[in-house]
Amino acid sequence: AQSVTQPDIHITVSEGASLELRCNYSYGATPYLFWYVQSPGQGLQLLLKYFSGDTLVQGIKGFEAEFKRSQSSFNLRKPSVHWSDAAEYFCAVGPTFQGAQKLVFGQGTRLTINP
Amino acid sequence: DSGVTQTPKHLITATGQRVTLRCSPRSGDLSVYWYQQSLDQGLQFLIQYYNGEERAKGNILERFSAQQFPDLHSELNLSSLELGDSALYFCASSVRGEGLYNEQFFGPGTRLTVL
Repeated sequence: AQSVTQPDIHITVSEGASLELRCNYSYGATPYLFWYVQSPGQGLQLLLKYFSGDTLVQGIKGFEAEFKRSQSSFNLRKPSVHWSDAAEYFCAVGPTFQGAQKLVFGQGTRLTINP
Repeated sequence: DSGVTQTPKHLITATGQRVTLRCSPRSGDLSVYWYQQSLDQGLQFLIQYYNGEERAKGNILERFSAQQFPDLHSELNLSSLELGDSALYFCASSVRGEGLYNEQFFGPGTRLTVL
């Protein structure tokens, strides 16, 4: 069965510092991978996605993520965080075959930014 | 704004009651998905509809049901409510419901509180 693990429940970084949020997945083949962000009281916004090709993908708001097949990881990075990046971040995996199109989410990582 | 709308934003009700959550997908999207976000279970897929027909089921309780109408809006019905049903319920939509993966666009959610 598909599963996603986000090892860090809560991360605190200073404004302007770099950020890396970890995501590991379990899947039988190369999955479709996603990072979503949820700001307080808001819905889920897609930051970026990986389907195939270049393993380094660029997203919105200055975020990027790197797919590493050998490590079953899809870590999210940002070189310099802003106070507005404080939110909860979810990694998700989706199927690459026909059938159920559900997303399987990790437990989320809450990001706090120190001024 | 994803283009997916959900009503109501908040719902407070008592145990044993029944509620209906409504979702309008993005214009042109044929598939609707329901997800539940709770503190203990995280974000979990409940059910998917495609062009009026049920396409996939996840961890949806028998007390819960959904349908998608000819105008493609969807309703999630929750009955015999329990305290543990308190959660944020998200609706998402995508253009297609099968084949190669379709990006899902999420609504702002309905927060259900069962007292």
